[in-house]
Amino acid sequence: DARVTQTPRDKVTEMGQEVTMRCQPILGHNTVFWYRQTMMQGLELLAYFRNRAPLDDSGMPKDRFSAEMPDATLATLKIQPSEPRDSAVYFCASGFFRLQGVNTEAFFGQGTRLTVV
Amino acid sequence: ILNVEQSPQSLHVQEGDSTNFTCSFPSSNFYALHWYRWETAKSPEALFVMTLNGDEKKKGRISATLNTKEGYSYLYIKGSQPEDSATYLCAPNTSGNTGKLIFGQGTTLQVKP
Repeated sequence: DARVTQTPRDKVTEMGQEVTMRCQPILGHNTVFWYRQTMMQGLELLAYFRNRAPLDDSGMPKDRFSAEMPDATLATLKIQPSEPRDSAVYFCASGFFRLQGVNTEAFFGQGTRLTVV
Repeated sequence: ILNVEQSPQSLHVQEGDSTNFTCSFPSSNFYALHWYRWETAKSPEALFVMTLNGDEKKKGRISATLNTKEGYSYLYIKGSQPEDSATYLCAPNTSGNTGKLIFGQGTTLQVKP
């Protein structure tokens, strides 16, 4: 049963600490998204990758957030230093998008609930 | 900035009622539109991916239509059940085939038994 796996599921950290969230996309998917769930903006797109290359990270606060795909099986989202306002649920999703033809839907992981105190 | 609007923001219906809600988007450069269902404390799950003007998709009691010329999609739920209670999100891809999914704020449906 293919699924997107996110770790950790829950993270509590102190303000100023570095936080790393990990995502294992579904094997064969070429596109990975990072979203943040907020009360004000619903599901906010932070960044997305195609074939491991970042296509758009304009949704991320550049000074403290960074996203990478070290290899096809791992995507990471780092916050350094973390702040209380970063507290949210962070979702990773993956899908297969073609230049021609119909794309698949995005499959979401279970999310990482981050609390910064 | 993509202007995706979903209406209404929230909806309360009685079990057995049929309901529908709207996703509006810019009609230029349309490529595809995704509908997702998001239950509380869970992850969003895809319902439909729609690409053609006039397209209609159906899954059980849920169906969706698409009008790319005027920039809207309707989601219908026939005979709502309490388990249909969720937030329904749409994500139009109107930047050509970039695969970029920006979600609307969603319509939160509450079905009362």
